Amino acid sequence: QKEVEQDPGPLSVPEGAIVSLNCTYSNSAFQYFMWYRQYSRKGPELLMYTYSSGNKEDGRFTAQVDKSSKYISLFIRDSQPSDSATYLCAMTKLSGGYNKLIFGAGTRLAVHP
Amino acid sequence: ETGVTQSPTHLIKTRGQQVTLRCSSQSGHNTVSWYQQALGQGPQFIFQYYREEENGRGNFPPRFSGLQFPNYSSELNVNALELDDSALYLCASSSDNTDTQYFGPGTRLTVL
Repeated sequence: QKEVEQDPGPLSVPEGAIVSLNCTYSNSAFQYFMWYRQYSRKGPELLMYTYSSGNKEDGRFTAQVDKSSKYISLFIRDSQPSDSATYLCAMTKLSGGYNKLIFGAGTRLAVHP
Repeated sequence: ETGVTQSPTHLIKTRGQQVTLRCSSQSGHNTVSWYQQALGQGPQFIFQYYREEENGRGNFPPRFSGLQFPNYSSELNVNALELDDSALYLCASSSDNTDTQYFGPGTRLTVL
């Protein structure tokens, strides 16, 4: 079983839709949670970074963490064609003084006009 | 402020050869981590360098090695290349070994 599970999609939505992306994890030691966006043939770009359970909002993006259920989500409101990308969840437990990110497989999102 | 840069962009090698990939960390960052991303997969942690020392390693064989220089730039070396080493190699830098990581554009390695 993978430490982080993420549905690879693809997910296709019309412009303006609310998008929900999700990851589950098995290791309760994970403390920090991130969402990265990766355009085709580019490096991942950090979108959101959260520590505690609850919601964190940044513009059209909301990250949600539920540590009791080992479940994290990213919501995108008013989705745009420019949001079409692969979304990677990542998490980490500080181990021996270094920071190793564990990623999900990524969900491909297509927003069509 | 300059972001993370990597070179080369693309590389084609044959089985058994050796390759060196380079990374310049973001200004003010002293930590570099390397990841391998196979097609359709999330990045996998290779190792991390903090102040010129390797301070963490993932499940990769010893033929994957690295260096970090006094200016905090870094190299990833892979010996005895195998077909399965074909992937996007990503470098990420952070201002401390436990801080948020910012990624470069990656080097796409193809092994024939």
